[in-house]
Amino acid sequence: AQTVTQSQPEMSVQEAETVTLSCTYDTSESDYYLFWYKQPPSRQMILVIRQEAYKQQNATENRFSVNFQKAAKSFSLKISDSQLGDAAMYFCAYGSGGSNYKLTFGKGTLLTVNP
Amino acid sequence: DTGVSQNPRHKITKRGQNVTFRCDPISEHNRLYWYRQTLGQGPEFLTYFQNEAQLEKSRLLSDRFSAERPKGSFSTLEIQRTEQGDSAMYLCASSLSSGGLIGKTQYFGPGTRLLVL
Repeated sequence: AQTVTQSQPEMSVQEAETVTLSCTYDTSESDYYLFWYKQPPSRQMILVIRQEAYKQQNATENRFSVNFQKAAKSFSLKISDSQLGDAAMYFCAYGSGGSNYKLTFGKGTLLTVNP
Repeated sequence: DTGVSQNPRHKITKRGQNVTFRCDPISEHNRLYWYRQTLGQGPEFLTYFQNEAQLEKSRLLSDRFSAERPKGSFSTLEIQRTEQGDSAMYLCASSLSSGGLIGKTQYFGPGTRLLVL
């Protein structure tokens, strides 16, 4: 079974600075997908960024980018120019390839943005 | 595109009562998923549907839990004889049935927070 580990329960960053959230996963599969979701307090989970395992190029969405290291099974999220609205719980998730459609989530990292 | 909606948003019930939650997926999404999220944890997969067919169930989904998607549109999740351990956020998500990254990307609803007294 696949597992996802987020080793940082909490992180904080100053507004306008850059922060990196770590995520590692364990799998024997070669075809899979990785996601970062953001869950603000008492609000719904929002997709931040996604990556296909077979793509070498790291995904980027505006201020959000990932560092995907397939051999190390690492999928970290970098948030640049942090904003107060980035404060949330961030979850890393793994999705298998093929006909398995469930997502496996890490325990999350709570990000605080200080003004 | 109105997104995934869930009702009710909050439910308080007494132990032993039955509860039912509803999820309306994004209109063109064929796949629908249920997850459970307890405090301080990431969501855990419960079950998923492709149209009206329930294709996978987690062992977390005990006999007291049943999910349906009768016409391949909205879905309901029923918990019978609720227990205090059922207190959690129940999340619904949906996705397209395309292949690749698009079909694997799930969009979540706001959740139903259940408290069993």
